[in-house]
Amino acid sequence: KQEVTQIPAALSVPEGENLVLNCSFTDSAIYNLQWFRQDPGKGLTSLLLIQSSQREQTSGRLNASLDKSSGRSTLYIAASQPGDSATYLCAVRPVSNYQLIWGAGTKLIIKP
Amino acid sequence: DGGITQSPKYLFRKEGQNVTLSCEQNLNHDAMYWYRQDPGQGLRLIYYSQIVNDFQKGDIAEGYSVSREKKESFPLTVTSAQKNPTAFYLCASSYDRDRVGQPQHFGDGTRLSIL
Repeated sequence: KQEVTQIPAALSVPEGENLVLNCSFTDSAIYNLQWFRQDPGKGLTSLLLIQSSQREQTSGRLNASLDKSSGRSTLYIAASQPGDSATYLCAVRPVSNYQLIWGAGTKLIIKP
Repeated sequence: DGGITQSPKYLFRKEGQNVTLSCEQNLNHDAMYWYRQDPGQGLRLIYYSQIVNDFQKGDIAEGYSVSREKKESFPLTVTSAQKNPTAFYLCASSYDRDRVGQPQHFGDGTRLSIL
């Protein structure tokens, strides 16, 4: 059974630092992996989607990598800003079914 | 602007009462989903619908019901059989579920509490 884990559950860093969020999954048979952002009391916003054949995707200050063989993905945020404060969730799309399997998220706080 | 609209933002349920959460999308998406989010947990799928008049149970469908009479609308009813309904409910949509390269789009959620 596919399981997705995000560690740490919470992270607090000073503004301006580069940081890495981690996502691990137990079964490498996936179509893709997605990173989402969730602001308090809000829905989710898709940040990056990496297909299983890709190694990374970039959008602005965000870079997501995927290592299927080791079951890991990282979300790199460059030059962090207070506006980056949110919960970041990852989800994988297994090849075995239609459902996304979700991690519990990492709550990120960027201190001014 | 295209998007997903969930209403109400906050909802309170009395004992023995059924309540309905609304979800409307104007993205012309085929698939729609309902998730439940509890603190410290990942999203869990309640129901999903691939096309009009068709829907499938997710992992935690007990105590919930849905309908898909129109492509744009996918309401969720939380019945009195759901004994622990307090949670944040998220509706999402996407193109055909088999288009694996397409992300899901989310509404802003409904927070349901018990009175």
